[in-house]
Amino acid sequence: GQQVMQIPQYQHVQEGEDFTTYCNSSTTLSNIQWYKQRPGGHPVFLIQLVKSGEVKKQKRLTFQFGEAKKNSSLHITATQTTDVGTYFCAGKNNQGGKLIFGQGTELSVKP
Amino acid sequence: GAVVSQHPSWVICKSGTSVKIECRSLDFQATTMFWYRQFPKQSLMLMATSNEGSKATYEQGVEKDKFLINHASLTLSTLTVTSAHPEDSSFYICSARDRGGTSGRAYNEQFFGPGTRLTVL
Repeated sequence: GQQVMQIPQYQHVQEGEDFTTYCNSSTTLSNIQWYKQRPGGHPVFLIQLVKSGEVKKQKRLTFQFGEAKKNSSLHITATQTTDVGTYFCAGKNNQGGKLIFGQGTELSVKP
Repeated sequence: GAVVSQHPSWVICKSGTSVKIECRSLDFQATTMFWYRQFPKQSLMLMATSNEGSKATYEQGVEKDKFLINHASLTLSTLTVTSAHPEDSSFYICSARDRGGTSGRAYNEQFFGPGTRLTVL
């Protein structure tokens, strides 16, 4: 079945450093979504990418969807302590429409 | 964004008892709701897809007789963990999909409830 792999599993950075998490799907996706889950909280929707090669920005966050619609990345510029949490990508294929979540990348930021 | 509530937020029960968890979409109609389970430090695993007025679709490996899902209205889905055992202890999260494409929301965006932490003794 469809698999969504996400790396790295953990990332520890100094405040002000950049951070990137990568997501790869075993199948072509119709869209990919990104979520953030704070410790003890629930996933919160960040963004959805639909088009091949799409790039979207939200302040210090940049999201990319690969040309083949099988991979995606989230890049945070100049991390802040408020960025702490686990970032999940979730891909949806053309069959069934289910969201398949990646394993998540847990980001910790040292002040 | 849209609001999805879950009740209870946490529950502790004895082994062998049944626990019902409610998921409500508060300001939109959700023809489809999803139930996920998340173990500590792990990802969200889809358990089942709940469609209003019809039977739920369960993922492979999820026992439908153990995890009963009812989606009786456009704003409410329930998950009942029957004869719970300690290995069922987990964080159960529901999400509701706003298919209406309400202004400002991504089409097919899912909104997650706050989760229910179940501990079975």
